[in-house]
Amino acid sequence: AQRVTQPEKLLSVFKGAPVELKCNYSYSGSPELFWYVQYSRQRLQLLLRHISRESIKGFTADLNKGETSFHLKKPFAQEEDSAMYYCALSSSSASKIIFGSGTRLSIRP
Amino acid sequence: DTGVSQDPRHKITKRGQNVTFRCDPISEHNRLYWYRQTLGQGPEFLTYFQNEAQLEKSRLLSDRFSAERPKGSFSTLEIQRTEQGDSAMYLCASSSDRGQLSYTFGSGTRLTVV
Repeated sequence: AQRVTQPEKLLSVFKGAPVELKCNYSYSGSPELFWYVQYSRQRLQLLLRHISRESIKGFTADLNKGETSFHLKKPFAQEEDSAMYYCALSSSSASKIIFGSGTRLSIRP
Repeated sequence: DTGVSQDPRHKITKRGQNVTFRCDPISEHNRLYWYRQTLGQGPEFLTYFQNEAQLEKSRLLSDRFSAERPKGSFSTLEIQRTEQGDSAMYLCASSSDRGQLSYTFGSGTRLTVV
């Protein structure tokens, strides 16, 4: 069964500190992994996807098929990074996305 | 095009009543999705359409839920005989079947069943 696990409900770090939001997945096949973000009073939106291999707002995420993980990282947190972050997956041929339960990231000044 | 629109933004209804929500997707997107989100959880897939065809429904979706997309443009989600457990945020998203899969979400409809 497809499943996305985000073990941390809340992560609180100081401004300027490194950030790592954990995501593990269960999928028998070649998944496509995403991170979605929801800032306060805004819509859920795509942050990045593993296929693109790009850094968005300083965030990166590497797909580790051996550990079935797709952790989101940023070397220096900024206050505007405070938001709800959802890890998600789909199969390469599927048309729907499965979401994890989310991690609330709080950046302290 | 102002993105994905959902109406109403909020709905309070008495248990046992029927409710209907509307979603207007991005006009170029032929895929439309409905998700439900409860407090502390991520969006949970309910159903999706490609054009007017409903191609998949979650097994979690009870018979009280029905969705339509009659002309392949806007969609409606109806909940009959609402229960308190139906209280949630109902999210709509749209995407194109061309290129990489990428959702554009609406702001959602928050349903409260009292």
